[in-house]
Amino acid sequence: NAGVMQNPRHLVRRRGQEARLRCSPMKGHSHVYWYRQLPEEGLKFMVYLQKENIIDESGMPKERFSAEFPKEGPSILRIQQVVRGDSAAYFCASSPPVWDRVDEQYFGPGTRLTVT
Amino acid sequence: GENVEQHPSTLSVQEGDSAVIKCTYSDSASNYFPWYKQELGKRPQLIIDIRSNVGEKKDQRIAVTLNKTAKHFSLHITETQPEDSAVYFCAASPLGGGGADGLTFGKGTHLIIQP
Repeated sequence: NAGVMQNPRHLVRRRGQEARLRCSPMKGHSHVYWYRQLPEEGLKFMVYLQKENIIDESGMPKERFSAEFPKEGPSILRIQQVVRGDSAAYFCASSPPVWDRVDEQYFGPGTRLTVT
Repeated sequence: GENVEQHPSTLSVQEGDSAVIKCTYSDSASNYFPWYKQELGKRPQLIIDIRSNVGEKKDQRIAVTLNKTAKHFSLHITETQPEDSAVYFCAASPLGGGGADGLTFGKGTHLIIQP
């Protein structure tokens, strides 16, 4: 049973370019979460999605950042016009659609974004 | 919103000794409290969790306690081993028990096991 998959694992972008980060949840999981981790810091919640719906985006910057989880395919976190401050590790997590375990989040390996 | 404080930021213990990491949270509505272990450059791994209807939970050498009145919870690792060296994060969720939402994390504790 494959775990949460993320790609690419490493992404280098120049300032002003777009970054696209992909996340495939664990098989059978229908809840996806995105977090950002700066060096030597904890994880900061960005957005929570279910298939075709954004449930909570309270942690996501209002500009340049967007997320989607289409009916088919992986969840995408998109960062437009990247700046150096966007350099971080971006982790995706998923949780099962089981009422008493829906809050258990399992993390992917992360995408390390470097903006030059 | 929820705020989670974690102490200490660094903890060094002798191999075989116990380690205790403490967290406090601010939102009395939080009901789910997981702990994650993250090794350098790796993903956070869920190692144990506790829900608000339970005061203590144990899994081999790892235990977690929860005091809802005081709004704090702790991770206890007994008989520490070198492979326990990592950064440990506590977290709190505003829902749990059938609901789901983003986790609020503490800043982490770097646990160092001295041989």
